[in-house]
Amino acid sequence: EPEVTQTPSHQVTQMGQEVILRCVPISNHLYFYWYRQILGQKVEFLVSFYNNEISEKSEIFDDQFSVERPDGSNFTLKIRSTKLEDSAMYFCASSGDRALSPNSPLHFGNGTRLTVT
Amino acid sequence: DQQVKQNSPSLSVQEGRISILNCDYTNSMFDYFLWYKKYPAEGPTFLISISSIKDKNEDGRFTVFLNKSAKHLSLHIVPSQPGDSAVYFCAARANFGNEKLTFGTGTRLTIIP
Repeated sequence: EPEVTQTPSHQVTQMGQEVILRCVPISNHLYFYWYRQILGQKVEFLVSFYNNEISEKSEIFDDQFSVERPDGSNFTLKIRSTKLEDSAMYFCASSGDRALSPNSPLHFGNGTRLTVT
Repeated sequence: DQQVKQNSPSLSVQEGRISILNCDYTNSMFDYFLWYKKYPAEGPTFLISISSIKDKNEDGRFTVFLNKSAKHLSLHIVPSQPGDSAVYFCAARANFGNEKLTFGTGTRLTIIP
C-alpha cells in the first residue's frame, strides 16, 4: 500500500535555528497537510496545501512557518527561527479528495520528532 | 479549545471482549467523524468514519455509533485482539469541503491477553 514518508525521523536543533521537515506524499494525492502533536497533547492542524498554495492554516501557523512543494514529489515545512515550544512530533498527511470522504481518508506519515534545545 | 473530547485517557479490556471508546464534541457544525489508531513511533492510521446523516457504520470488527442529539460518538471493537492495543483518536470535520480535522486527546487501549 502506498504511504506517506517523512524525513528525518528525529531532528534536534538549537533555539533560533531554521529547520526544514520533509515529506513525500502519496503520489496521486493532491491535498497535503501538516499536523503536529506536542508530547501528551492532541494532534493539531497546522496547514493545508492544494494547487501550490495554502488553502487553510491555523493560528499556530504564524510567520515563522512556511510550506513549499519544490518539485513534483516533496512537500516541506520550514520553521525559520525555532522556539522551545516548537518541540513536537510533526506529521505530514495527504489525501486524494478535499472532502476527506471514506474513499479518500487522510493518510499520515510516521512523523518527525523535532526537539528544540 | 476542547471541541472534541475523549474523557478516558486509558482503557483496559480482556482479549475477546468488547472495547468501547467514547468521544464527545461541542461544535454542532461537525458533519463528519473519524477514528484513527496510532501505534508508538508511527503516524495515525485511519480506521473508520461516519457521516452525520448516519447513526451507525460498521466495518468488520469495528463499529462507530453517532448520537447527534447528545453530540456523542463511540467506537466498538469486538472481539478485541492484542493487536488492537494502541492509542485511538476521535477526529471531526466541520462542513463539507473544509479540510481541517479537529482531534481529541486520545484513549490508550490495552488488550489484556
